[in-house]
Amino acid sequence: SQKIEQNSEALNIQEGKTATLTCNYTNYSPAYLQWYRQDPGRGPVFLLLIRENEKEKRKERLKVTFDTTLKQSLFHITASQPADSATYLCALDNAGNMLTFGGGTRLMVKP
Amino acid sequence: GAVVSQHPSRVICKSGTSVKIECRSLDFQATTMFWYRQFPKQSLMLMATSNEGSKATYEQGVEKDKFLINHASLTLSTLTVTSAHPEDSSFYICSAPGGSTGSSNQPQHFGDGTRLSIL
Repeated sequence: SQKIEQNSEALNIQEGKTATLTCNYTNYSPAYLQWYRQDPGRGPVFLLLIRENEKEKRKERLKVTFDTTLKQSLFHITASQPADSATYLCALDNAGNMLTFGGGTRLMVKP
Repeated sequence: GAVVSQHPSRVICKSGTSVKIECRSLDFQATTMFWYRQFPKQSLMLMATSNEGSKATYEQGVEKDKFLINHASLTLSTLTVTSAHPEDSSFYICSAPGGSTGSSNQPQHFGDGTRLSIL
């Protein structure tokens, strides 16, 4: 069966460090992968999209990698700040025009 | 940037009530919108795809007579939870693709969700 797995355990890091979040998938062949941020009681906010032919994408302090051989995406936040604390969701296209989301990883950045 | 407005943000009502949730794209047209449901500390589960001018496409296990979707214009989709019961209590979120193709291989713009509580 198809699965998108994100670490369900909260990730706690110190301010200024790099946060690395993982998204693993099985039985998918996505053409692209997206990352979103969700704050409590709010809708997700789009962060980055990476296509299958792209190895890496950057946006300010954010970096996403996409390894279709390992079936894995890594999401990095450099120089993390307490304001980066949120739940981060990865999402894959589901052989059509719809996105399927992982369970999300909660990031806590401590000052 | 593109904004999706969802209303109301919170509803508390008695069992048996029907509740309508609106999702509007404010500065762009959306031929397709998506409706999700999210339980606490869980991910978004796609319920249905709302198509302007045609019937919605429901995901497996979602009762179309329970969750009525109407996409009457290029900027508005509504989800009506009919005869709601406590088990329908959840966080409902809509989204619209940011591009002109109407497909989800574009960044999705999400509303801020509706917290539905059925007593």
